[in-house]
Amino acid sequence: GDSVTQMEGPVTLSEEAFLTINCTYTATGYPSLFWYVQYPGEGLQLLLKATKADDKGSNKGFEATYRKETTSFHLEKGSVQVSDSAVYFCALLYSGAGSYQLTFGKGTKLSVIP
Amino acid sequence: SAVISQKPSRDICQRGTSLTIQCQVDSQVTMMFWYRQQPGQSLTLIATANQGSEATYESGFVIDKFPISRPNLTFSTLTVSNMSPEDSSIYLCSTLLAGSLSHNGYTFGSGTRLTVV
Repeated sequence: GDSVTQMEGPVTLSEEAFLTINCTYTATGYPSLFWYVQYPGEGLQLLLKATKADDKGSNKGFEATYRKETTSFHLEKGSVQVSDSAVYFCALLYSGAGSYQLTFGKGTKLSVIP
Repeated sequence: SAVISQKPSRDICQRGTSLTIQCQVDSQVTMMFWYRQQPGQSLTLIATANQGSEATYESGFVIDKFPISRPNLTFSTLTVSNMSPEDSSIYLCSTLLAGSLSHNGYTFGSGTRLTVV
């Protein structure tokens, strides 16, 4: 079945450091890929998405590129801020007929210290 | 996107009791999903609830343990029945906007953190 593997946390970075959170997937067909973010005490929010190979999703300084050849969708940010402290989830949606189920990774907790 | 109010936000319950979690959406939604997030684990889909039909449960989840109601297009409940410590998790609801097959249509509640003692 479909699955998502993302790097284990927690990750602790100093402000303005470079961030990479690795995500790889296995899926039949051609899934859409997502990064969700969960700030403390809040629900999951869509951060960015990519729906086909070589697409780059970007939002709030975060980027991720859909790499079909390596089945990866790594999240990057050039300079993190304290406000980026949250749990980040990689997810996929198989674009098969009638399929609306998101498959999530385990989540990576990011803490950014001043 | 829709806004979901989920409650309670957290609860501590005695084993053997039941807890009902509510999700209220501020707009009509076609699908509602219930997820469980066990400590250190990813979100696992429990069931999909469409208005006017029986909920569809994923492998490993049964209606007797997790009964779901979906009385209208803006509301759903999940009950965790006859609880044991293994049910301690975060439970989240999620919706897909009516008429929207866009992947931007998913919205999540803030979650219910359940501890069973």
